[in-house]
Amino acid sequence: GNSVTQMEGPVTLSEEAFLTINCTYTATGYPSLFWYVQYPGEGLQLLLKATKADDKGSNKGFEATYRKETTSFHLEKGSVQVSDSAVYFCALSSPNTGNQFYFGTGTSLTVIP
Amino acid sequence: EAGVAQSPRYKIIEKRQSVAFWCNPISGHATLYWYQQILGQGPKLLIQFQNNGVVDDSQLPKDRFSAERLKGVDSTLKIQPAKLEDSAVYLCASAPTPRRDTQYFGPGTRLTVL
Repeated sequence: GNSVTQMEGPVTLSEEAFLTINCTYTATGYPSLFWYVQYPGEGLQLLLKATKADDKGSNKGFEATYRKETTSFHLEKGSVQVSDSAVYFCALSSPNTGNQFYFGTGTSLTVIP
Repeated sequence: EAGVAQSPRYKIIEKRQSVAFWCNPISGHATLYWYQQILGQGPKLLIQFQNNGVVDDSQLPKDRFSAERLKGVDSTLKIQPAKLEDSAVYLCASAPTPRRDTQYFGPGTRLTVL
């Protein structure tokens, strides 16, 4: 079946530190992979996506590369800001399961000045 | 462009009571989803509509949950009767089509069952 496993949180970093949030997946077929972000009191927002192997998604300084050989889609940012404090969700969808979304458990990030 | 609207934002009820949540998707979006997000977990799909028809409700606990989208626009999710384990955030999302990467989420309704 389809599932997503992401790094346990919470994660606390100082401003300008390097961020990595690990995400691995299990899927049938060829899924698309996503990172969503949830700021306090708000809904989920699409941060970036990749639809095939070796694709790199990027947005707002965040990047993630679709690695089929390691079934991973790790989120990275070179220099985090206080405004990046949020909960980050890794997700996949697969045409083999009607494009239903499967989410990880979320990783809470707090960036301190 | 207005986003996905949900109401109420918060609801507290006692077990065995009934509750209903409302969602108004982005204008023109044919596909609507309801998710349940239990604290510490990722969202789990409950039901997916395409216009006013159900595409997938395999994870909806049909003995107590129901949902409708009668005119293919806004939608209501109902729980009757509620259990303690139903305490969660209920998220509504919409998409222009059932494509993979275009789901837009509302702010959610936080339900507490006492």
